[in-house]
Amino acid sequence: EIVLTQSPATLSLSPGERATLSCRASQSVSNYLAWYQQKPGQAPRLLMYDASNRATGIPARFSGSGSGADFTLTISSLEPEDFAVYYCQQRGKWPLTFGGGTKVEIK
Amino acid sequence: QVQLQESGPRLLKPSETLSLICTVSDDSISNYYWSWIRRPAGKGLEWIGRIFSSGSPNYNPSLMSRVSMSMDTSKKQLSLKLSSVTAADTAMYYCARGTKGVDNYFDYWGQGTLVTVSS
Repeated sequence: EIVLTQSPATLSLSPGERATLSCRASQSVSNYLAWYQQKPGQAPRLLMYDASNRATGIPARFSGSGSGADFTLTISSLEPEDFAVYYCQQRGKWPLTFGGGTKVEIK
Repeated sequence: QVQLQESGPRLLKPSETLSLICTVSDDSISNYYWSWIRRPAGKGLEWIGRIFSSGSPNYNPSLMSRVSMSMDTSKKQLSLKLSSVTAADTAMYYCARGTKGVDNYFDYWGQGTLVTVSS
């Protein structure tokens, strides 16, 4: 199965700063990668799909890039509600797999 | 918008069978793929499998020997069964809807139900 490695495990930033999250796949998944946000006690929320497409209702400060095995989620200017855990997920090969998550915490 | 609600026993003993139900709020159950996903404490998400109203379910090979999924469209319910559970199956379990047209992402999720396996 494809292993997705997210880094860093924790990102400590202040509101207004730029966040850059990485997701690396153990082999190419083309552009078949999504990002999710999860807050404590809530279900995950789809942010991006197929690497660079924002899901419905997702603010423009979220952007995704990458293809093959290296992907990035960027939050251009952190809002207070953006502090959460972020997961990547690939659909390039069965079984579907997720990364271990990056926690974006308030510095 | 569609709502999903997981239900079922929260505490199991080793070797028992986990049985969960996911109730879907509208008639879209027949038109989408539906998945079960879990998150063990302190770990990332793990896809368990998916089901559609027609055809056979698809399971994660790591769980295939123990997992079974079904769907009752008249009740708008999905079912997950996982046999011979161990402590490693302790996790938050979610049901989720596959995105339309690109089936293998997830756009709606239930709130999840925590299942603990302990003797």
